[in-house]
Amino acid sequence: AQKITQTQPGMFVQEKEAVTLDCTYDTSDPSYGLFWYKQPSSGEMIFLIYQGSYDQQNATEGRYSLNFQKARKSANLVISASQLGDSAMYFCASFLKNAGGTSYGKLTFGQGTILTVHP
Amino acid sequence: EAQVTQNPRYLITVTGKKLTVTCSQNMNHEYMSWYRQDPGLGLRQIYYSMNVEVTDKGDVPEGYKVSRKEKRNFPLILESPSPNQTSLYFCASSLRGLAKNIQYFGAGTRLSVL
Repeated sequence: AQKITQTQPGMFVQEKEAVTLDCTYDTSDPSYGLFWYKQPSSGEMIFLIYQGSYDQQNATEGRYSLNFQKARKSANLVISASQLGDSAMYFCASFLKNAGGTSYGKLTFGQGTILTVHP
Repeated sequence: EAQVTQNPRYLITVTGKKLTVTCSQNMNHEYMSWYRQDPGLGLRQIYYSMNVEVTDKGDVPEGYKVSRKEKRNFPLILESPSPNQTSLYFCASSLRGLAKNIQYFGAGTRLSVL
């Protein structure tokens, strides 16, 4: 079974500064994918960013980027220029792919990191 | 509007009384999945479905059943609920599996089993 570890239960950042949320994963399979999701206090789950294990470049989506270090099995989320609206719980998740590149259906989440942005 | 709809949003029930949480999506997605969220544990997958009539267990399937008789619906059935199934439940769907596909989540169902 896969395992995702988010070692930071809570993080604080000043508005307009950058913050890195840690995620390590444990798989011996070469083909997999990684997601980050955001869950505000209202409870909905919002997709942020996706990284495939064979993607040549680190994924970016606006202010979000993924610092993907395959050898270290880490997929840290970097949020640049933090905003008050970034205060939320953040989850890292991973799944395996088959040889053809399509996914198996099992998705494993980490425990989450609560980010608080101070004005 | 593209959406995943879960019903009910809140449910209080008693041990042993069978219940069904419905999930419906209007995006013609092939993949659907159920998760439960508990404090300190993140989200854990209960069951998923890659397409109609194709379902498989996630990490915590005990005590739950699902069916996928049509593409849009993926109900979660608790045949005999117990207090340890008190949790926040999410249904989600994506176009075709997980690879590069955004998963859309329902608003969640908060279940209390007394």
